[in-house]
Amino acid sequence: AQSVTQLGSHVSVSEGALVLLRCNYSSSVPPYLFWYVQYPNQGLQLLLKYTTGATLVKGINGFEAEFKKSETSFHLTKPSAHMSDAAEYFCAVRVNTGNQFYFGTGTSLTVIP
Amino acid sequence: KAGVTQTPRYLIKTRGQQVTLSCSPISGHRSVSWYQQTPGQGLQFLFEYFSETQRNKGNFPGRFSGRQFSNSRSEMNVSTLELGDSALYLCASRVGQGEAFFGQGTRLTVV
Repeated sequence: AQSVTQLGSHVSVSEGALVLLRCNYSSSVPPYLFWYVQYPNQGLQLLLKYTTGATLVKGINGFEAEFKKSETSFHLTKPSAHMSDAAEYFCAVRVNTGNQFYFGTGTSLTVIP
Repeated sequence: KAGVTQTPRYLIKTRGQQVTLSCSPISGHRSVSWYQQTPGQGLQFLFEYFSETQRNKGNFPGRFSGRQFSNSRSEMNVSTLELGDSALYLCASRVGQGEAFFGQGTRLTVV
């Protein structure tokens, strides 16, 4: 069975500071990994994804994530937070033999001016 | 290319009523999934349809049902609404092994 754990339901950072949102997964087969962002009363927008190949993945809005198989992690980072980054972030996993996405419980990011 | 379109955006229903939500996927996407999002439970998978067939189903009671039409548009129905069904219902479409593209959701409030 697949599952996703996001450590920290709320994260606050100062504008310009490093953003680090943590995601660990469990999967019995090689996973596809995703980060989505959700703004209030909106759907989910894809930030980045890992399927195969390079383990450091770059996404939109300056975000990136690194797939570490040995640590079963896929943490999301951004070197310098912007006020517009304030949102809810979801990590998700899908196995390459299945169709269902499994989402973490989300991390709410607050950016302090 | 138009994104995933969900209608209506907002709904208010009374306990015991039924409701139908609609989702139009991105053109060419044959897979449509539905999710329920609540503050307490997060994002929970309802079901997935592909080529008019339900391919996968989450752990929801039979009051939740769905269908997909030949043009890939999908509807989900909730019968005998309960207060706990109040949620944001999200639809996502996908092609092949790619990522899911989400609509803006339908906010259902049951009173």
